[in-house]
Amino acid sequence: GAVVSQHPSRVICKSGTSVKIECRSLDFQATTMFWYRQFPKKSLMLMATSNEGSKATYEQGVEKDKFLINHASLTLSTLTVTSAHPEDSSFYICSASPPAGGRETQYFGPGTRLLVL
Amino acid sequence: QKEVEQDPGPLSVPEGAIVSLNCTYSNSAFQYFMWYRQYSRKGPELLMYTYSSGNKEDGRFTAQVDKSSKYISLFIRDSQPSDSATYLCAMSSEYSSASKIIFGSGTRLSIRP
Repeated sequence: GAVVSQHPSRVICKSGTSVKIECRSLDFQATTMFWYRQFPKKSLMLMATSNEGSKATYEQGVEKDKFLINHASLTLSTLTVTSAHPEDSSFYICSASPPAGGRETQYFGPGTRLLVL
Repeated sequence: QKEVEQDPGPLSVPEGAIVSLNCTYSNSAFQYFMWYRQYSRKGPELLMYTYSSGNKEDGRFTAQVDKSSKYISLFIRDSQPSDSATYLCAMSSEYSSASKIIFGSGTRLSIRP
């Protein structure tokens, strides 16, 4: 199947700093990428949907100024957690979809574990 | 009421047993039903995908959808220790992979050797 990578896989940062997480589709062009957040033993919660070249669409309750999303190319989307605080510690997962893809063609990255001290 | 309900478990069964995982949902617009497997600290991987009501079989895995009851199931036959993971049901009302998926909370499954 298609491959989606995330970098870094794990990051520890101090409170107040900003952290950037990259999501790349390695063998296909992704017109749409999704960002999810997952707390321990909980489900994936969609944070935002990003389409290449346009502004991301954020889910209700997600602060767009805190979680900056940039989908600058067809293979790369970035999520920046600005002024991170301990409550932002979580597992962040992206997924990517090719253009005109069907339901089974949303591919997930391996996730990034963020720990804010 | 959550759109998708799934028993979080944990569920522990001996190797070789048949496993039954289930989800219920409230949104009658859901047409596409998926099961994802997620190993610890990894991203989800698609295991089964079905459209509308009916059964689908793939090796040791069988997915069932009953839209009249708003109930979906995943059966694992001859379970193996390598099947130990969290299983997430997921649903969508649209075919396009660019549309949203709603996930259940996941069931943690452990297969005892």
